[in-house]
Amino acid sequence: AQSVTQLDSHVSVSEGTPVLLRCNYSSSYSPSLFWYVQHPNKGLQLLLKYTSAATLVKGINGFEAEFKKSETSFHLTKPSAHMSDAAEYFCVVSPYSSASKIIFGSGTRLSIRP
Amino acid sequence: GAGVSQSPSNKVTEKGKDVELRCDPISGHTALYWYRQRLGQGLEFLIYFQGNSAPDKSGLPSDRFSAERTGESVSTLTIQRTQQEDSAVYLCAGRTGVNTGELFFGEGSRLTVL
Repeated sequence: AQSVTQLDSHVSVSEGTPVLLRCNYSSSYSPSLFWYVQHPNKGLQLLLKYTSAATLVKGINGFEAEFKKSETSFHLTKPSAHMSDAAEYFCVVSPYSSASKIIFGSGTRLSIRP
Repeated sequence: GAGVSQSPSNKVTEKGKDVELRCDPISGHTALYWYRQRLGQGLEFLIYFQGNSAPDKSGLPSDRFSAERTGESVSTLTIQRTQQEDSAVYLCAGRTGVNTGELFFGEGSRLTVL
């Protein structure tokens, strides 16, 4: 069975400091992993994706994530937070075996302090 | 079009009325998903279409909910006899037929049932 856990429902950082949003997954098979961002009253936008190529994935807006199979983690990081990063972030697992069973994490709300 | 288009963007209706929500995916995206997002919550899977295959309706919460898609084009989600608990944002997403591909989301239809 597949599952995804976002370990923090809310993260608050100061502008210019690093961001870490944590995600752990469980999957019977090699999944594809994604991070999406949702700004208020908007749809979800892809930040980055892992599909069994390089384990360190770079995305848009300076975000990156590292796939660690031994830890079943796919944490999202950014070296320096910007005010515009304030949004909801979703970690997503897409098992190769079943296209319909995409699993979304419960989301992490990122707040940026000036 | 260039992106996924959803209409209406906002719909206010009275309890007991029927509503129809529309999704126009990106051309060539054979897979189409509907999700429900209640205020402050994550995404709840509703239904999945893939080409001309039978849809996966396992996420529809009741028989008041139905969805159609003709081929690989527009999809409509219909909610009959709306209830206040149906109030949510309904998100549509498309994908190429590859299970490793990303989802492309529309901006959603916000439904408010009075």
